[in-house]
Amino acid sequence: SSELTQDPAVSVALGQTVRITCQGDSLRSYYASWYQQKPGQAPVLVIYGKNNRPSGIPDRFSGSSSGNTGSLTITGAQAEDEADYYCNSRDRSGSVFGGGTKLTVL
Amino acid sequence: QVQLVQSGAEVKKPGASVKVSCKASGYTFTSYDINWVRQATGQGLEWMGWMNPNSGNTGYAQKFQGRVTMTRNTSISTAYMELSSLRSEDTAVYYCARARTGEMNYWGQGTLVTVSS
Repeated sequence: SSELTQDPAVSVALGQTVRITCQGDSLRSYYASWYQQKPGQAPVLVIYGKNNRPSGIPDRFSGSSSGNTGSLTITGAQAEDEADYYCNSRDRSGSVFGGGTKLTVL
Repeated sequence: QVQLVQSGAEVKKPGASVKVSCKASGYTFTSYDINWVRQATGQGLEWMGWMNPNSGNTGYAQKFQGRVTMTRNTSISTAYMELSSLRSEDTAVYYCARARTGEMNYWGQGTLVTVSS
């Protein structure tokens, strides 16, 4: 089965911009979707498709894709953005998640 | 509003089976796939499989083939995930999620399944 690789941890200063990346062969064929998960809570979809945000997701969240890499960018990170972020894409056998990136807002 | 409400926590012995339910409301149940995802404590998300509530068609991650069964009862807008031959490594929170064109835009609250002798 395919895999999606994420950096385990990333930090960003309050108000600065941070990019979280996800690499995998399946991303050459499918867009990544991105999920935010805070402790004790279910994941929340924040970006899907080429660069789409569900209703209620702030516009500081954006997505992009190039080759086998998908990226989630938070422009002007806020304290409430501190969370785990997971990428996900379809693959030949169904769907796959990345290992997750823990984002710390300093 | 769209809601997915899952059944309560379960404690099972090794070798047993567990069946988790996911009751949908606020939308037409048969119009969207249901995915199942699990998360062991302190670990990442793991996709288990999907089901089309309209046709009943399913697709399972290779890791769970032969052990997982996803079904539904359209009359009560409820999806089910049954996992058999439980072992300690299956201890996790199990989530159902409504899938649109692949992305999972609504999630249940999660069901903790503990496997312990």
